[in-house]
Amino acid sequence: EAQVTQNPRYLITVTGKKLTVTCSQNMNHEYMSWYRQDPGLGLRQIYYSMNVEVTDKGDVPEGYKVSRKEKRNFPLILESPSPNQTSLYFCASSLVGTSGYNEQFFGPGTRLTVL
Amino acid sequence: DQQVKQNSPSLSVQEGRISILNCDYTNSMFDYFLWYKKYPAEGPTFLISISSIKDKNEDGRFTVFLNKSAKHLSLHIVPSQPGDSAVYFCAAMRTGTYKYIFGTGTRLKVLA
Repeated sequence: EAQVTQNPRYLITVTGKKLTVTCSQNMNHEYMSWYRQDPGLGLRQIYYSMNVEVTDKGDVPEGYKVSRKEKRNFPLILESPSPNQTSLYFCASSLVGTSGYNEQFFGPGTRLTVL
Repeated sequence: DQQVKQNSPSLSVQEGRISILNCDYTNSMFDYFLWYKKYPAEGPTFLISISSIKDKNEDGRFTVFLNKSAKHLSLHIVPSQPGDSAVYFCAAMRTGTYKYIFGTGTRLKVLA
């Protein structure tokens, strides 16, 4: 089954304790992206990657890191989480088409609480 | 600065009637627009899209209209069904940038 998986689905942590949220897709998609969803703010793009070893900042990259060492995986790293990073996080992937756009497939989300 | 706005946080519609969800954008460089639907505890799923070279795109019960001069797009669902009850996000991008800007979402409730 074609899918985007995220782990963990739920995480409660404390300020300053480094964490990683994993994202994996089995559709051989070149493009992967991370979003956070907050009440009243919708979905905001954190980072995206056009292919292996190619990453770029979205709208709200502060406090986050990403890496793309393999095509299927795109982990989101919070080196020193703070309470304002409490949010619902979504990973997404898509093909990179000649048209310059493609629909994204989203993972089920990771609800992160930073105390 | 919210470049993509969905000014109606919620909308209730009777089953069988038309649902109209609206979205406004400010950046004239956006040339591709998408609608996503999101159920609770799930990720968003793609619904329909439209390129700025068109003013209408239809897929079954879903139609998206784009008014470039007004920087406005709308999603029409006809007829509305209870299973359409979800949060709908519009998104915009400039082709080739792969930077997506989402709106804040509209919660649609279709009443049986």
